[in-house]
Amino acid sequence: DTAVSQTPKYLVTQMGNDKSIKCEQNLGHDTMYWYKQDSKKFLKIMFSYNNKELIINETVPNRFSPKSPDKAHLNLHINSLELGDSAVYFCASSQRRGLAGADTQYFGPGTRLTVL
Amino acid sequence: SQELEQSPQSLIVQEGKNLTINCTSSKTLYGLYWYKQKYGEGLIFLMMLQKGGEEKSHEKITAKLDEKKQQSSLHITASQPSHAGIYLCGADPFPGGNEKLTFGTGTRLTIIP
Repeated sequence: DTAVSQTPKYLVTQMGNDKSIKCEQNLGHDTMYWYKQDSKKFLKIMFSYNNKELIINETVPNRFSPKSPDKAHLNLHINSLELGDSAVYFCASSQRRGLAGADTQYFGPGTRLTVL
Repeated sequence: SQELEQSPQSLIVQEGKNLTINCTSSKTLYGLYWYKQKYGEGLIFLMMLQKGGEEKSHEKITAKLDEKKQQSSLHITASQPSHAGIYLCGADPFPGGNEKLTFGTGTRLTIIP
């Protein structure tokens, strides 16, 4: 049983297209995240949702829009794709426990996006 | 998917004490990354190791990669409350560094004053 799944795992598309990456977690977690892995393997957080509510929104182009239809899903939609958007995107989830402390994030397998 | 094993899963240490977190794989690690997660934030990059036997330090945190490149340890000297959080290791599963990272299971560190 996959805990955090992402689709597709690989995505190759032309510049200017609009694409979505889907993420689903079956762990019953309240919080979900999107990260971008850059060429140096740094993971940069893009967005975080808690119970469908946006709680972290780092500086990313507004061409990137997260959508959370329910707390088990956090999709990433990208408009007008650019060459620089090529990267690996990771989805993660964690069970938030209030102010007691952070919880381990469980990562999906990643989606490698290639923009031509 | 989580393919690296971290130990311990949880660690409670008195302030000022030293501690070690391990990250182990049954396969060769071609790049090993340590991250720290603070509450309400994303992952913060700490260090990256590539060569067998390599050791890096940043402030009071030292990370090592063993000669076989199958295990890494993160050592904190004279722990402080600011060290509390969840530590996560990530690794390149293949050489070349052009693949997606795989991640460990995380270690929650609590520092008691």
